[in-house]
Amino acid sequence: EADIYQTPRYLVIGTGKKITLECSQTMGHDKMYWYQQDPGMELHLIHYSYGVNSTEKGDLSSESTVSRIRTEHFPLTLESARPSHTSQYLCASQGGGSQHNEQFFGPGTRLTVL
Amino acid sequence: AQSVSQHNHHVILSEAASLELGCNYSYGGTVNLFWYVQYPGQHLQLLLKYFSGDPLVKGIKGFEAEFIKSKFSFNLRKPSVQWSDTAEYFCAVTQGSGNTGKLIFGQGTTLQVKP
Repeated sequence: EADIYQTPRYLVIGTGKKITLECSQTMGHDKMYWYQQDPGMELHLIHYSYGVNSTEKGDLSSESTVSRIRTEHFPLTLESARPSHTSQYLCASQGGGSQHNEQFFGPGTRLTVL
Repeated sequence: AQSVSQHNHHVILSEAASLELGCNYSYGGTVNLFWYVQYPGQHLQLLLKYFSGDPLVKGIKGFEAEFIKSKFSFNLRKPSVQWSDTAEYFCAVTQGSGNTGKLIFGQGTTLQVKP
């Protein structure tokens, strides 16, 4: 079944650790996105990719980095996690050549940095 | 910068009550408009969208939204809510020009429907 997956769903780590949040989609979509959402707040775009080897920073500045080596995989990495990185991270993908197409969202990763 | 504003942060209704959730955006050009819903424990999913044509858009589960260009609004409505409509609702916008697909979200409205 075509879907979008994120792992882990929940992560609690200490300050200074390096972490990678995984995102994979089986729909063959070219466009993928990472959003950050604090409780009760809007989602903010932090990274996006329009295809393999294409990555761009989003509207909200983030200390995280992303890579897109394969179409289906769009991992997000924090080299040294800090408490200010505590948030929910949502991955999404979008297919087709039109921005009218909907974005499909993963279940999210809730990150807590102690 | 473009922004999206949802006026109601938390709405509590009884079953069969009518619903209207407000959404306003700030961009003056052509826009594409979306409502997403997140049911408890589930992914964000598309409820409905508008990009051209009839400004009254019908979505899944009896929801509809009306695009009023002069008011920069895209309010979500449902004549009679059910307990299963309890969820968080997000309005989102992309700019009409280009093909970036970048969504700008409102802060969300939590809807609680009492049985």
